[in-house]
Amino acid sequence: EVQLVESGGGLVQPGRSLKLSCLASGFTFSNYGMNWIRQAPGKGLEWVASISSSSSYIYYADTVKGRFTISRDNAKNTLYLQMTSLRSEDTALYYCARRNNNYGFAYWGQGTLVTVSS
Amino acid sequence: DIVMTQTPSSQAVSAGEKVTMSCKSSQSLLYSENKKNYLAWYQQKPGQSPKLLISWASTRESGVPDRFIGSGSGTDFTLTISSVQAEDLAVYYCEQYYDTPYTFGAGTKLELK
Repeated sequence: EVQLVESGGGLVQPGRSLKLSCLASGFTFSNYGMNWIRQAPGKGLEWVASISSSSSYIYYADTVKGRFTISRDNAKNTLYLQMTSLRSEDTALYYCARRNNNYGFAYWGQGTLVTVSS
Repeated sequence: DIVMTQTPSSQAVSAGEKVTMSCKSSQSLLYSENKKNYLAWYQQKPGQSPKLLISWASTRESGVPDRFIGSGSGTDFTLTISSVQAEDLAVYYCEQYYDTPYTFGAGTKLELK
């Protein structure tokens, strides 16, 4: 069974940094691209970043480009999101997600909440 | 960026009713080489992670009830629930995966009439 477990969220002041992790299990992590998707409180879904299986291809939403860095450690089955220069508008539930063979986001974690506030 | 526009933003429904919701993209999601539409539908219930219902605009995921029907091509897509059940009350999102940045619609919320 595919499992994605996010961690690392919390309350952080504007301008500070935070690093999220997503521990994957139930599949061969090194074979799949991975993604971060966020959802602000009471709002819709926003794709944040994607990384290919070998980290060769990385893409970001314009809203986080230059501030966030997606990375992975295939030996540890873990996906990361390093967030710097955090803003109040980055407050959201951050999901780790994986596409299936039909390319939809079939697998989601439970999310980790990031609150940016002074 | 491809903009996804969902209508209506909310809809009040009664159990057993047929429901349709729309998703329009600002450019075609039909890839000419494989004739596939790069469009997915998700269901999100309160306090839960989104659930993938449909990929390629009309391919239902395993385990998804056949009352959920995806249709459309190019820029206009529809999710139909043939006979709404109480457990279908949720927010429904469409997503284009034709190109990065991947983008979602703002959602259609199904509420009880």
